[in-house]
Amino acid sequence: EAGVTQFPSHSVIEKGQTVTLRCDPISGHDNLYWYRRVMGKEIKFLLHFVKESKQDESGMPNNRFLAERTGGTYSTLKVQPAELEDSGVYFCASSPRLAGEDGSTGELFFGEGSRLTVL
Amino acid sequence: GQNIDQPTEMTATEGAIVQINCTYQTSGFNGLFWYQQHAGEAPTFLSYNVLDGLEEKGRFSSFLSRSKGYSYLLLKELQMKDSASYLCAVSAWNRDDKIIFGKGTRLHILP
Repeated sequence: EAGVTQFPSHSVIEKGQTVTLRCDPISGHDNLYWYRRVMGKEIKFLLHFVKESKQDESGMPNNRFLAERTGGTYSTLKVQPAELEDSGVYFCASSPRLAGEDGSTGELFFGEGSRLTVL
Repeated sequence: GQNIDQPTEMTATEGAIVQINCTYQTSGFNGLFWYQQHAGEAPTFLSYNVLDGLEEKGRFSSFLSRSKGYSYLLLKELQMKDSASYLCAVSAWNRDDKIIFGKGTRLHILP
Protein backbone atom coordinates (compact mmCIF):
# COMPACT_ATOMS: atom_id res chain seq x y z
CA GLU A 1 0.00 0.00 0.00
CA ALA A 2 1.40 3.38 -0.98
CA GLY A 3 2.06 5.82 1.83
CA VAL A 4 1.40 9.54 1.90
CA THR A 5 3.25 11.20 -0.93
CA GLN A 6 4.14 14.85 -1.26
CA PHE A 7 5.40 16.88 -4.17
CA PRO A 8 7.75 18.62 -4.61
CA SER A 9 10.25 17.39 -2.07
CA HIS A 10 12.07 20.69 -2.23
CA SER A 11 11.15 24.03 -3.74
CA VAL A 12 13.27 27.18 -3.86
CA ILE A 13 11.46 30.36 -4.87
CA GLU A 14 11.90 34.09 -4.56
CA LYS A 15 9.88 36.30 -2.29
CA GLY A 16 6.65 37.28 -4.00
CA GLN A 17 6.39 34.17 -6.13
CA THR A 18 3.74 31.48 -5.86
CA VAL A 19 4.24 27.86 -4.89
CA THR A 20 1.77 24.99 -4.82
CA LEU A 21 2.45 21.93 -2.73
CA ARG A 22 0.61 18.70 -3.35
CA CYS A 23 -0.28 15.84 -1.04
CA ASP A 24 -1.67 12.45 -1.97
CA PRO A 25 -2.97 10.75 1.18
CA ILE A 26 -3.27 7.04 1.69
CA SER A 27 -6.22 5.79 -0.33
CA GLY A 28 -9.40 5.67 1.74
CA HIS A 29 -8.19 8.06 4.43
CA ASP A 30 -10.87 10.70 4.93
CA ASN A 31 -8.77 12.83 7.27
CA LEU A 32 -6.00 14.91 5.76
CA TYR A 33 -3.83 17.35 7.68
CA TRP A 34 -1.26 19.95 6.79
CA TYR A 35 1.48 20.79 9.26
CA ARG A 36 4.52 23.05 9.01
CA ARG A 37 7.87 22.96 10.74
CA VAL A 38 9.90 26.10 10.80
CA MET A 39 13.55 25.59 11.75
CA GLY A 40 14.01 25.15 15.47
CA LYS A 41 10.33 25.10 16.24
CA GLU A 42 7.64 22.49 16.69
CA ILE A 43 5.60 20.88 13.97
CA LYS A 44 2.66 23.25 13.84
CA PHE A 45 -0.87 22.40 12.79
CA LEU A 46 -2.21 24.30 9.77
CA LEU A 47 -5.50 22.66 8.87
CA HIS A 48 -7.57 19.50 8.77
CA PHE A 49 -9.80 18.21 5.99
CA VAL A 50 -12.47 15.58 6.41
CA LYS A 51 -13.03 14.41 2.87
CA GLU A 52 -13.35 17.62 0.88
CA SER A 53 -14.49 19.80 3.79
CA LYS A 54 -12.25 21.98 5.91
CA GLN A 55 -12.86 20.73 9.45
CA ASP A 56 -10.44 23.11 11.11
CA GLU A 57 -8.25 25.76 9.50
CA SER A 58 -7.38 27.63 12.66
CA GLY A 59 -3.66 27.12 12.12
CA MET A 60 -3.43 28.80 8.72
CA PRO A 61 -1.07 31.75 9.21
CA ASN A 62 -2.84 34.27 6.97
CA ASN A 63 -4.78 34.65 3.74
CA ARG A 64 -1.68 34.08 1.61
CA PHE A 65 -2.21 30.39 2.27
CA LEU A 66 -4.96 28.49 0.45
CA ALA A 67 -5.63 24.79 0.85
CA GLU A 68 -7.99 22.74 -1.24
CA ARG A 69 -9.06 19.15 -1.43
CA THR A 70 -11.39 18.89 -4.37
CA GLY A 71 -13.16 15.53 -4.59
CA GLY A 72 -11.80 14.51 -1.22
CA THR A 73 -8.69 12.86 -2.62
CA TYR A 74 -5.43 14.77 -3.02
CA SER A 75 -4.89 18.18 -1.51
CA THR A 76 -2.96 21.26 -2.54
CA LEU A 77 -1.53 24.04 -0.43
CA LYS A 78 -0.80 27.24 -2.28
CA VAL A 79 1.27 30.09 -0.91
CA GLN A 80 0.78 33.34 -2.79
CA PRO A 81 2.73 35.57 -2.57
CA ALA A 82 5.45 33.77 -0.63
CA GLU A 83 7.35 35.62 2.11
CA LEU A 84 10.68 34.81 3.72
CA GLU A 85 9.05 33.57 6.92
CA ASP A 86 7.15 30.92 4.96
CA SER A 87 10.33 28.88 4.63
CA GLY A 88 10.09 25.53 6.35
CA VAL A 89 9.05 21.94 5.85
CA TYR A 90 5.40 21.38 5.07
CA PHE A 91 4.15 17.98 6.15
CA CYS A 92 0.98 16.32 5.06
CA ALA A 93 -0.56 13.52 7.09
CA SER A 94 -3.64 11.35 6.72
CA SER A 95 -5.63 9.05 8.94
CA PRO A 96 -8.62 6.79 8.38
CA ARG A 97 -10.32 7.74 11.64
CA LEU A 98 -9.99 10.14 14.53
CA ALA A 99 -8.79 8.99 17.95
CA GLY A 100 -11.58 7.05 19.66
CA GLU A 101 -13.60 6.38 16.53
CA ASP A 102 -14.24 2.65 16.39
CA GLY A 103 -11.38 2.09 18.78
CA SER A 104 -8.91 3.87 16.54
CA THR A 105 -5.80 5.51 17.94
CA GLY A 106 -6.10 8.31 15.43
CA GLU A 107 -2.56 7.61 14.29
CA LEU A 108 -1.32 10.02 11.65
CA PHE A 109 0.57 8.73 8.64
CA PHE A 110 2.98 11.39 7.50
CA GLY A 111 4.50 12.16 4.15
CA GLU A 112 8.19 13.01 3.95
CA GLY A 113 7.42 16.70 3.66
CA SER A 114 7.97 19.44 1.13
CA ARG A 115 10.85 21.72 2.02
CA LEU A 116 10.14 25.29 0.96
CA THR A 117 12.92 27.85 0.80
CA VAL A 118 11.93 31.44 0.08
CA LEU A 119 14.83 33.72 -0.88
CA GLY B 1 -4.52 26.68 24.62
CA GLN B 2 -2.29 23.68 24.69
CA ASN B 3 1.25 23.61 26.00
CA ILE B 4 3.62 20.69 25.54
CA ASP B 5 7.08 20.57 27.08
CA GLN B 6 9.86 18.09 26.52
CA PRO B 7 13.65 18.32 26.76
CA THR B 8 15.39 19.66 23.68
CA GLU B 9 18.21 17.13 23.58
CA MET B 10 19.36 13.99 25.36
CA THR B 11 22.35 11.72 25.03
CA ALA B 12 22.55 8.04 25.93
CA THR B 13 24.85 5.09 25.34
CA GLU B 14 24.22 2.15 23.05
CA GLY B 15 22.68 -0.73 25.01
CA ALA B 16 21.43 1.53 27.81
CA ILE B 17 17.95 2.73 28.75
CA VAL B 18 16.66 6.27 28.30
CA GLN B 19 13.47 7.97 29.43
CA ILE B 20 12.12 10.99 27.58
CA ASN B 21 9.62 13.02 29.55
CA CYS B 22 6.74 15.11 28.29
CA THR B 23 4.41 17.36 30.23
CA TYR B 24 1.32 18.89 28.77
CA GLN B 25 -1.50 21.23 29.63
CA THR B 26 -4.75 20.94 27.74
CA SER B 27 -8.48 20.76 28.24
CA GLY B 28 -10.50 18.05 26.56
CA PHE B 29 -7.59 15.60 26.59
CA ASN B 30 -8.19 12.79 24.10
CA GLY B 31 -4.90 10.98 23.94
CA LEU B 32 -1.15 11.38 23.80
CA PHE B 33 1.09 10.20 20.98
CA TRP B 34 4.79 9.61 20.58
CA TYR B 35 6.31 9.84 17.13
CA GLN B 36 9.86 9.18 15.97
CA GLN B 37 11.45 11.30 13.28
CA HIS B 38 14.82 10.62 11.69
CA ALA B 39 16.47 13.62 10.09
CA GLY B 40 14.96 14.38 6.70
CA GLU B 41 12.28 11.74 7.03
CA ALA B 42 8.59 11.60 7.90
CA PRO B 43 7.53 11.29 11.54
CA THR B 44 6.42 7.74 12.27
CA PHE B 45 3.96 6.62 14.93
CA LEU B 46 5.34 4.90 18.02
CA SER B 47 2.59 4.84 20.61
CA TYR B 48 -0.75 6.14 21.79
CA ASN B 49 -1.96 6.45 25.39
CA VAL B 50 -5.43 7.56 26.39
CA LEU B 51 -5.72 5.82 29.76
CA ASP B 52 -3.30 6.01 32.69
CA GLY B 53 -0.59 3.43 32.79
CA LEU B 54 2.16 1.83 30.81
CA GLU B 55 1.90 0.57 27.24
CA GLU B 56 4.73 -1.71 26.18
CA LYS B 57 5.68 -2.43 22.61
CA GLY B 58 8.95 -4.23 22.19
CA ARG B 59 11.89 -2.10 23.24
CA PHE B 60 9.67 0.96 23.55
CA SER B 61 7.19 1.72 26.34
CA SER B 62 5.03 4.76 26.93
CA PHE B 63 3.50 5.88 30.19
CA LEU B 64 0.68 8.32 30.89
CA SER B 65 -0.61 10.05 34.00
CA ARG B 66 -3.61 12.19 33.07
CA SER B 67 -3.92 13.75 36.53
CA LYS B 68 -0.33 14.97 36.33
CA GLY B 69 -0.39 15.88 32.66
CA TYR B 70 2.70 13.74 32.25
CA SER B 71 4.00 11.09 29.92
CA TYR B 72 7.30 9.41 29.24
CA LEU B 73 8.73 7.31 26.47
CA LEU B 74 11.13 4.61 27.64
CA LEU B 75 13.60 3.13 25.19
CA LYS B 76 15.48 0.00 26.23
CA GLU B 77 18.53 -1.71 24.77
CA LEU B 78 19.36 1.37 22.78
CA GLN B 79 20.66 0.93 19.27
CA MET B 80 22.47 3.44 17.08
CA LYS B 81 19.44 3.58 14.79
CA ASP B 82 17.42 5.02 17.70
CA SER B 83 19.22 8.33 17.18
CA ALA B 84 16.31 10.54 16.11
CA SER B 85 13.91 13.18 17.33
CA TYR B 86 11.06 11.99 19.51
CA LEU B 87 7.89 14.02 19.31
CA CYS B 88 5.27 14.15 22.03
CA ALA B 89 1.83 15.12 20.70
CA VAL B 90 -1.58 15.61 22.28
CA SER B 91 -5.09 15.33 20.88
CA ALA B 92 -7.97 17.31 22.38
CA TRP B 93 -11.60 16.49 21.61
CA ASN B 94 -12.70 20.04 22.14
CA ARG B 95 -10.30 21.25 19.51
CA ASP B 96 -11.68 19.08 16.72
CA ASP B 97 -9.27 16.35 17.72
CA LYS B 98 -6.38 18.07 16.02
CA ILE B 99 -3.04 16.74 17.16
CA ILE B 100 -0.66 19.32 18.59
CA PHE B 101 3.05 18.57 18.71
CA GLY B 102 5.78 19.48 21.14
CA LYS B 103 9.14 20.68 19.83
CA GLY B 104 10.62 17.22 20.03
CA THR B 105 13.59 15.74 21.86
CA ARG B 106 16.67 15.03 19.82
CA LEU B 107 18.24 11.82 21.11
CA HIS B 108 21.92 11.14 20.44
CA ILE B 109 23.18 7.59 20.91
CA LEU B 110 26.88 7.15 21.64
CA PRO B 111 28.70 3.89 20.89
